[in-house]
Amino acid sequence: SQELEQSPQSLIVQEGKNLTINCTSSKTLYGLYWYKQKYGEGLIFLMMLQKGGEEKSHEKITAKLDEKKQQSSLHITASQPSHAGIYLCGADITGANNLFFGTGTRLTVIP
Amino acid sequence: DTGVSQNPRHKITKRGQNVTFRCDPISEHNRLYWYRQTLGQGPEFLTYFQNEAQLEKSRLLSDRFSAERPKGSFSTLEIQRTEQGDSAMYLCAGQGNTGELFFGEGSRLTVL
Repeated sequence: SQELEQSPQSLIVQEGKNLTINCTSSKTLYGLYWYKQKYGEGLIFLMMLQKGGEEKSHEKITAKLDEKKQQSSLHITASQPSHAGIYLCGADITGANNLFFGTGTRLTVIP
Repeated sequence: DTGVSQNPRHKITKRGQNVTFRCDPISEHNRLYWYRQTLGQGPEFLTYFQNEAQLEKSRLLSDRFSAERPKGSFSTLEIQRTEQGDSAMYLCAGQGNTGELFFGEGSRLTVL
């Protein structure tokens, strides 16, 4: 989607390292969704952020939405091989929850 | 398990044939969305329903694509006169009052 940029496109980290994935929108967001996808499978919901400055955590994954509601980051602490996959951010830019997605970040965690 | 089931999981068809995919969300999902995903790309929004009403369909890829949700529960996505370019994963997502969007496992279409 041209409205949404996700970076990096791919990431290879050693197990135990921390990492951050970014998602930037050209428009103010009504909401920002993070998903994980394994090849050929559906999307696994991770987190939804709706308020400026909001931060949510689940296990070792933390997601933040900036105050202007145009940028989000996903941070993984002490990465594990189970974290490997494709991480996708989906942006609600209309208020109707029809999300526009970035192209994803492919994460590889080396044991 | 997101509670959203899709079938068939895989469909191989010949060019020119019609195909139909079905999505069964959970009863709490008053909104239902269809997306298409091609290799190496993020999902692309196609259409969505609020209960049985189709509220957005301008992003359906062509007039060969149509979707229904007749009773506000399950939904179908039909592609008529399939083309090789229709080969993709077709994803369905349900949304309830919490706002979270849960996807099914998808239906992979291969057009020969």
